Amino acid sequence: GEDVEQSLFLSVREGDSSVINCTYTDSSSTYLYWYKQEPGAGLQLLTYIFSNMDMKQDQRLTVLLNKKDKHLSLRIADTQTGDSAIYFCAYKRGAGNMLTFGGGTRLMVKP
Amino acid sequence: GAVVSQHPSRVICKSGTSVKIECRSLDFQATTMFWYRQFPKQSLMLMATSNEGSKATYEQGVEKDKFLINHASLTLSTLTVTSAHPEDSSFYICSAWTGNHGYTFGSGTRLTVV
Repeated sequence: GEDVEQSLFLSVREGDSSVINCTYTDSSSTYLYWYKQEPGAGLQLLTYIFSNMDMKQDQRLTVLLNKKDKHLSLRIADTQTGDSAIYFCAYKRGAGNMLTFGGGTRLMVKP
Repeated sequence: GAVVSQHPSRVICKSGTSVKIECRSLDFQATTMFWYRQFPKQSLMLMATSNEGSKATYEQGVEKDKFLINHASLTLSTLTVTSAHPEDSSFYICSAWTGNHGYTFGSGTRLTVV
């Protein structure tokens, strides 16, 4: 199976919370990242979490990491239409600087 | 800080011609640059890793003679798609490891080969 899996699509209403989930298989991951990609653009780093952390909050973004289950989630509070984009989770292994990406989750925010 | 400038953002070329894509690190030295390819509605596929002053490391299945990577300085890496064909049409993105700021990505280049 894939190293990193994400659901393909998520639709929410403006003002609601969005939760994007990610599961991975490599237990040696050190840093885990969330990136946002808007149409025709590159990737924008949203936030990251170190593998020895359980939770990290940064304004509207909350990252939860369950290392035992190899599950990572990104919660966006008070989701806005400008949050509509594709969200990729990714991890960095301990050795080397290569990132492994999930397939991306397309978030659609309805007004 | 830690910005990677990628050019061009969009290019249309004829079959058989070559196209060069540039990525420059503007305020840091990028010893390692990653080149990705992204098909529509798909994730990023790592093509190669380039290190300044040495040969690039290509992922399995990526033709090194077709996708020439040059990383001659700490601030510039280039990807040249040689003898481009319609199947090379894709979105190409570079990324650099910045150390303190993690990874930073270029804005991408949409290549269309007609």
